[in-house]
Amino acid sequence: EAGVAQSPRYKIIEKRQSVAFWCNPISGHATLYWYQQILGQGPKLLIQFQNNGVVDDSQLPKDRFSAERLKGVDSTLKIQPAKLEDSAVYLCASSLGQRASYEQYFGPGTRLTVT
Amino acid sequence: TQLLEQSPQFLSIQEGENLTVYCNSSSVFSSLQWYRQEPGEGPVLLVTVVTGGEVKKLKRLTFQFGDARKDSSLHITAAQPGDTGLYLCAGGRSNFGNEKLTFGTGTRLTIIP
Repeated sequence: EAGVAQSPRYKIIEKRQSVAFWCNPISGHATLYWYQQILGQGPKLLIQFQNNGVVDDSQLPKDRFSAERLKGVDSTLKIQPAKLEDSAVYLCASSLGQRASYEQYFGPGTRLTVT
Repeated sequence: TQLLEQSPQFLSIQEGENLTVYCNSSSVFSSLQWYRQEPGEGPVLLVTVVTGGEVKKLKRLTFQFGDARKDSSLHITAAQPGDTGLYLCAGGRSNFGNEKLTFGTGTRLTIIP
């Protein structure tokens, strides 16, 4: 079974530039998550999708971050404009459903460096 | 505000020793998961516990969910270099009809051969 795919794996941009990350979840997984993980810390949920609808985006900085999941499969996360504090690993995860006790399968992440 | 505090934050021990990592909160969780993350990879689920007082064993790893479902511990017996990684606890709670998973602060474990 193919895992969660993310691209790119690494990205370096200057502040005020824009960047986009792509995620392809495990086939059949209805729930998709985007997390931000600052170096050495636990992941922080940015946004959760159920199929192509947003379930929770309470911690998404909506003035600069946006995400979409068209057709309920792939998803993109965009940052525009980027700030220095956005330097982090952005993880995508998917699961069969919304229950917190379900296993979340994570991709390898995209390491973003903002200079 | 970080709901789940893990301790210690860093732990470096010799191969063969035993260790315990703690995950504490003032909030009640409906479920508690432990993940392990290696450099350059995403977290991988180790175990899910859902009942207060529940104990689960996975080879040399023993997981316990507190009776009040506010805390958890992970005990590793006879640690091996392959146990090195970032250990994350994650608590599940209902949030306006949706169940949300909140990750802890993490414990970075290094096993020295």
